[in-house]
Formats: sequence, C-alpha cells, structure tokens
Amino acid sequence: AQKITQTQPGMFVQEKEAVTLDCTYDTSDPSYGLFWYKQPSSGEMIFLIYQGSYDQQNATEGRYSLNFQKARKSANLVISASQLGDSAMYFCAMTISNYKLTFGKGTLLTVNP
Amino acid sequence: DVKVTQSSRYLVKRTGEKVFLECVQDMDHENMFWYRQDPGLGLRLIYFSYDVKMKEKGDIPEGYSVSREKKERFSLILESASTNQTSMYLCASSLSTRGGKETQYFGPGTRLLVL
Repeated sequence: AQKITQTQPGMFVQEKEAVTLDCTYDTSDPSYGLFWYKQPSSGEMIFLIYQGSYDQQNATEGRYSLNFQKARKSANLVISASQLGDSAMYFCAMTISNYKLTFGKGTLLTVNP
Repeated sequence: DVKVTQSSRYLVKRTGEKVFLECVQDMDHENMFWYRQDPGLGLRLIYFSYDVKMKEKGDIPEGYSVSREKKERFSLILESASTNQTSMYLCASSLSTRGGKETQYFGPGTRLLVL
C-alpha cells in the first residue's frame, strides 16, 4: 500500500522568504509519481509540480521546486520568494501507475506581510 | 489550459433524495475521477473511469454510482442521499500519457449539504 505523510499541519512564512513543506512517502513499487497541489480557500485543487521516480533531476516550475531525495523517500516542496497569494493548503500526493492518487493530509501555509 | 467544470459550487439536498453531480472536461482526457474531501480525512477516491462506459471502484464507493456515457462527462450519483454524504466533492481528469502516473487536473469542487 502507498502512503503519504505530511508532518506539518501549519506553517508560517514572511512575504518574500522561502519556505519548505515536508512530504515523505512509502511504497514498495519502484515506479511512481509524486505531485504537489495547492488548494486555496475557494476549494479548487491546483496542480503545481510533478516528479517521476526515475527522473534524475529535481523538478522545478517557476517559484516551485521539488527537493526529491529518493533514498530518504522524501519529496519536499520549496516555494521561493513567498507571496501573499501563496497562502493556501498544500497537498503532497503519489501514484504508482494505477491511476489512483494517494494524498497526504495537507499543510496550511500562511504568508505574513 | 485544461478546463474541468462541475455543475454546481454549492448544493443543498434532503435525506433520501437522488443527487446528480456532473463533471465536464474539455481536453479530451481519457481518465476521470471523483473524490470527496472531508476535514481530518483528506481526499478519498470514490470512483474513476479510464474510458467511456468503463468504471472502477475507488476506496469508498459505497452509497455512490457513476455514469460515463460520453468521453467529456462523468457523473456521480447518490441514489439516496444521507447526512454522512455531506462533503466537498472534487472531480478530476487526466490524459493517458505516463502509464497511470498522469497529472490529474481538478474542477472547482461542489460543496454538498444533505439535511
């Protein structure tokens, strides 16, 4: 069975600073995909970034980067230069080639001005 | 841009009513999904479909059914709504490109209240 753990229920960061949101995963399948999604208070789940288990380099998308440490089974999201609009719930998720996304419980990020 | 729309943002129904939640995607995606999201429980997969008229049970299919008659539309049906089905319902779709590891794109969600 696959499992995602997000140990930070809430995080605070000052505007313009960087923040790291933690995610660890557990699976015995060698082929998997890792995702981060953002959910503002409006409710929509917004895709941010993807990392494949065989990808050699860490994924980056604009201000988002994924710190992928395969041996430690961690896939932390780094947001650089935080903005007020980054305040939201962030979910780490994983799939093992079976179409099913398993989500973590999420981290609520608050960006302070 | 991928566009996934859901028929209602907010819905209030009575116990025992039959409820239809509609989801439409405009990107010709093969796969479509229905999740529910509850505080403390996170997102849980109810059903998904990888082709027209095909469906697979997710983790919590009890009390729900689905219909996919056209590629772009995936409906979630609550045959007889109960109060424990009060929740946020999220629809998603994905293109078959990574052998089951595709990015899922979500709609805006429907907040359902069953009285």
